[in-house]
Amino acid sequence: GEDVEQSLFLSVREGDSSVINCTYTDSSSTYLYWYKQEPGAGLQLLTYIFSNMDMKQDQRLTVLLNKKDKHLSLRIADTQTGDSAIYFCAESSAAGGSYIPTFGRGTSLIVHP
Amino acid sequence: SAVISQKPSRDICQRGTSLTIQCQVDSQVTMMFWYRQQPGQSLTLIATANQGSEATYESGFVIDKFPISRPNLTFSTLTVSNMSPEDSSIYLCSVETGQGARDEQYFGPGTRLTVT
Repeated sequence: GEDVEQSLFLSVREGDSSVINCTYTDSSSTYLYWYKQEPGAGLQLLTYIFSNMDMKQDQRLTVLLNKKDKHLSLRIADTQTGDSAIYFCAESSAAGGSYIPTFGRGTSLIVHP
Repeated sequence: SAVISQKPSRDICQRGTSLTIQCQVDSQVTMMFWYRQQPGQSLTLIATANQGSEATYESGFVIDKFPISRPNLTFSTLTVSNMSPEDSSIYLCSVETGQGARDEQYFGPGTRLTVT
């Protein structure tokens, strides 16, 4: 299987909460990330969480980490049409002295009125 | 933070030709990377562009196919050589900034390449 897995699509209604899930395999992962990619743009780092944390909140974004199950989720409260994008989960460890992340395939979030 | 620009933003190229993609950063950075994002796939690291020395390539990528230059701390190029339709992809430049164990990583807007 892949190192980082996430579902490919998620459709939600405007105003609802979105939850994007991700699983990873590397037990030595140190940092877990969520990136956002809008159409025609590069990836934008939304947030990251250190592996010794289980939750991080930043305005409408909540990241939950279950290290035992190697499961990461991103919750977007009050989802807006502007949140429509591809969301990439990524993990990194200090292997080789660098923290170059390994990415999932991305989850396309579609927000409809 | 870092602002990254890439040229061209997109191109349509014929099989067998080569394309050079430029990446410019608005500040000096130590680490620059090139990624490939194929349709429906995750981002795949091609190589780390090292300033003053040869790039470090990941498994499955070779210098003859993807020559990289890094003449200074703000600029790098990636060439996709002898292209085939399988090279159709988005190519992304990325840089790492900051200090400490976890540096911030920023991405350029990407170059969308279609090979016919």
